[in-house]
Amino acid sequence: DQQVKQNSPSLSVQEGRISILNCDYTNSMFDYFLWYKKYPAEGPTFLISISSIKDKNEDGRFTVFLNKSAKHLSLHIVPSQPGDSAVYFCAARGRDDKIIFGKGTRLHILP
Amino acid sequence: DGGITQSPKYLFRKEGQNVTLSCEQNLNHDAMYWYRQDPGQGLRLIYYSQIVNDFQKGDIAEGYSVSREKKESFPLTVTSAQKNPTAFYLCASSIRWQGKRYEQYFGPGTRLTVT
Repeated sequence: DQQVKQNSPSLSVQEGRISILNCDYTNSMFDYFLWYKKYPAEGPTFLISISSIKDKNEDGRFTVFLNKSAKHLSLHIVPSQPGDSAVYFCAARGRDDKIIFGKGTRLHILP
Repeated sequence: DGGITQSPKYLFRKEGQNVTLSCEQNLNHDAMYWYRQDPGQGLRLIYYSQIVNDFQKGDIAEGYSVSREKKESFPLTVTSAQKNPTAFYLCASSIRWQGKRYEQYFGPGTRLTVT
């Protein structure tokens, strides 16, 4: 049973436009949500996190939105750049420090 | 220069042999994790540890063992009981900042190939 779901395996976005990556979760006990960027054969790079008591967190070009009632979060990247092409993982942390990942969304930034 | 180190980058073993993957962090983080990634899959949690001398099974712990004798180190042993050990293994550590921000950092990974 997948507790963290990323339903879009891939996404293509024009350079300079906004990229929106989506994530759904089932466990209402998650207290933090995290986004990562990953290149092949490398460890994921932490991008941004949000506490379950907030609905928005911003860091430079990255903004994460949390809708608790819908159990949904999204990562917005504005403007999208060629170096943003990678696989993006959504993750959620339970109160026991267990962190569960989605299967990832591959983002392609088109020139 | 703080971070997480995993060694070696590539590891080859014969079937039936146990192998231990190293993970060290100098970030002073309390919690540490082991994940594996298979092609087309997300990261699946093997084991995690919140404090020294304590650890919990993740979703796919069968065939693996860990120890946490020091805060900085969380080695993972892939035993011969693990049916499909060939994978990319990732170690991570995490910290919560004053209850307001949570961050988890990963090492570069170890690619294990068992033949």
